[in-house]
Amino acid sequence: LAKTTQPISMDSYEGQEVNITCSHNNIATNDYITWYQQFPSQGPRFIIQGYKTKVTNEVASLFIPADRKSSTLSLPRVSLSDTAVYYCLVGENQGGKLIFGQGTELSVKP
Amino acid sequence: GAVVSQHPSRVICKSGTSVKIECRSLDFQATTMFWYRQFPKQSLMLMATSNEGSKATYEQGVEKDKFLINHASLTLSTLTVTSAHPEDSSFYICSAKSEQGREQYFGPGTRLTVT
Repeated sequence: LAKTTQPISMDSYEGQEVNITCSHNNIATNDYITWYQQFPSQGPRFIIQGYKTKVTNEVASLFIPADRKSSTLSLPRVSLSDTAVYYCLVGENQGGKLIFGQGTELSVKP
Repeated sequence: GAVVSQHPSRVICKSGTSVKIECRSLDFQATTMFWYRQFPKQSLMLMATSNEGSKATYEQGVEKDKFLINHASLTLSTLTVTSAHPEDSSFYICSAKSEQGREQYFGPGTRLTVT
């Protein structure tokens, strides 16, 4: 399984756009890139998933360059409630096995 | 979206006893379920993968005789922590995936405290 590397922590202010980049140099052809959000003492919550180029949903965008060796989660206009740990995971779509890295602890300040 | 529940949400037990944690997929059939453990300020650690009707596959370093996993139906998997000790105190999280689906849906977690 491809290993992922993310910044340990990031700080932001309310209303700003936050971009969290994840490196996954050993991503395999069948691997999808998935981002999860986790609040303290809760299970992770699915944010977005993509294979290549750009994916957008109601909460975030995911940018994936052509070589797929990295990806960037973009959170538009963050609020205090977006303070959480964000995990980037890379895994085979059909197999489903995901290995969590250390994640990025995002702190949004007023 | 798909919903996964866990029961209980928190449990306190005495050292040496066994504790069972249930994981249910409420609105879809989960052909595969995963069990994770998370210590404070750490990431989730995958313990095992279970497929309905077959034996679970444990990750390296996880004792299969201590952490018994049963996935007897397409909507229920159970994790039994046998002869629990204080070092087993942790946050246990399950996730479920349907055969057709791409995402894993996570349960809310179970806080286990062994005294």
